[in-house]
Amino acid sequence: EAQVTQNPRYLITVTGKKLTVTCSQNMNHEYMSWYRQDPGLGLRQIYYSMNVEVTDKGDVPEGYKVSRKEKRNFPLILESPSPNQTSLYFCASSFGITSGGARGTDTQYFGPGTRLTVL
Amino acid sequence: GNSVTQMEGPVTLSEEAFLTINCTYTATGYPSLFWYVQYPGEGLQLLLKATKADDKGSNKGFEATYRKETTSFHLEKGSVQVSDSAVYFCALSEYGNKLVFGAGTILRVKS
Repeated sequence: EAQVTQNPRYLITVTGKKLTVTCSQNMNHEYMSWYRQDPGLGLRQIYYSMNVEVTDKGDVPEGYKVSRKEKRNFPLILESPSPNQTSLYFCASSFGITSGGARGTDTQYFGPGTRLTVL
Repeated sequence: GNSVTQMEGPVTLSEEAFLTINCTYTATGYPSLFWYVQYPGEGLQLLLKATKADDKGSNKGFEATYRKETTSFHLEKGSVQVSDSAVYFCALSEYGNKLVFGAGTILRVKS
């Protein structure tokens, strides 16, 4: 079954304790992205990756790191979590579309979400 | 920059009522437009999309038409069901793979 998986689904942690949220897709997608969802703000992009070893900042990258060593995996790292990073996090993937002269995006597939609480 | 504005919710309807969720956008060029749906406890799923002006996206009885002159992409359904209760997100993509989302609209359908 084609899917995007995230782990853990729920996490409660304390300020400053490093954590990693994993994301994996089995669709051979080039593009992967992390979003956070907050009430009244919709989804905002944190980081994205166009392919292996290629990552770039989204709209709200502060306090987050990512890596893309393998095509299927795109972990989100919080080196020193703070309470303002309490949120619902989604990973997404899709086939890549070159930005030069090309409009829009292929369908993005989303993981089930990770609810993070930082105390 | 690009942005998407959706009507605020929650929207509460009775079963079989007509649904409209308004969505307008701001973009520098000609984006692709999307509606995603999020059922309780789940991730987002693509509901429908349109890639150029006057295109109509449709799926599961939902429809939306890409209106360039009014920069809108309103979501409609003729007869909602309780199972349609969810959060609906309008989104656009103009360059590459980046999606810009609206704030989301909660839909509650009562039997």
